[in-house]
Amino acid sequence: KAGVTQTPRYLIKTRGQQVTLSCSPISGHRSVSWYQQTPGQGLQFLFEYFSETQRNKGNFPGRFSGRQFSNSRSEMNVSTLELGDSALYLCASSLAHSVEQYFGPGTRLTVT
Amino acid sequence: GQQLNQSPQSMFIQEGEDVSMNCTSSSIFNTWLWYKQDPGEGPVLLIALYKAGELTSNGRLTAQFGITRKDSFLNISASIPSDVGIYFCAGESNTGNQFYFGTGTSLTVIP
Repeated sequence: KAGVTQTPRYLIKTRGQQVTLSCSPISGHRSVSWYQQTPGQGLQFLFEYFSETQRNKGNFPGRFSGRQFSNSRSEMNVSTLELGDSALYLCASSLAHSVEQYFGPGTRLTVT
Repeated sequence: GQQLNQSPQSMFIQEGEDVSMNCTSSSIFNTWLWYKQDPGEGPVLLIALYKAGELTSNGRLTAQFGITRKDSFLNISASIPSDVGIYFCAGESNTGNQFYFGTGTSLTVIP
């Protein structure tokens, strides 16, 4: 069974731009969560989607948004990029009622 | 947000030695999970724990869910070079389906 895939793997953007990251969960997994990982803050929860609905949200500004499609694929969008948004963005998927999350390789976003 | 204190922050050990690391929180968690992350990759799930006092093994790895529900421990026996990486604990709060991650323990195994 294929794992979680994330595209692109690397991205360089300029301050003020916006970016969209994509995540395809493991087949059969309907829950998708997004995390931001930085050396200073570690892994921080952004949001979770289940059946196309945002089920939980972390403590991030409104510039961070996401959505989930009917095939469970998810996208995350960051608008008006700031230098501090440079991070590894990780997507994790899980079965409907499972807490066991499986992570993708991440998208490394660099904001210059 | 919720903070998970993970210790030690880093470890340098000789191949063949056993390793212990732990994670504590200020509040009760329903679930504890342990992950390992290699450079440039996402975390890989090692062990999941579901109830207080539970002791679970996965090969040379053993993890325990503390009886207070505020801590968890991971042990690695007879370490080998491929154990190198960063180990994270993660807990699911009892207030909702949200996970919090520890700050990580960086493990270096010296051959």
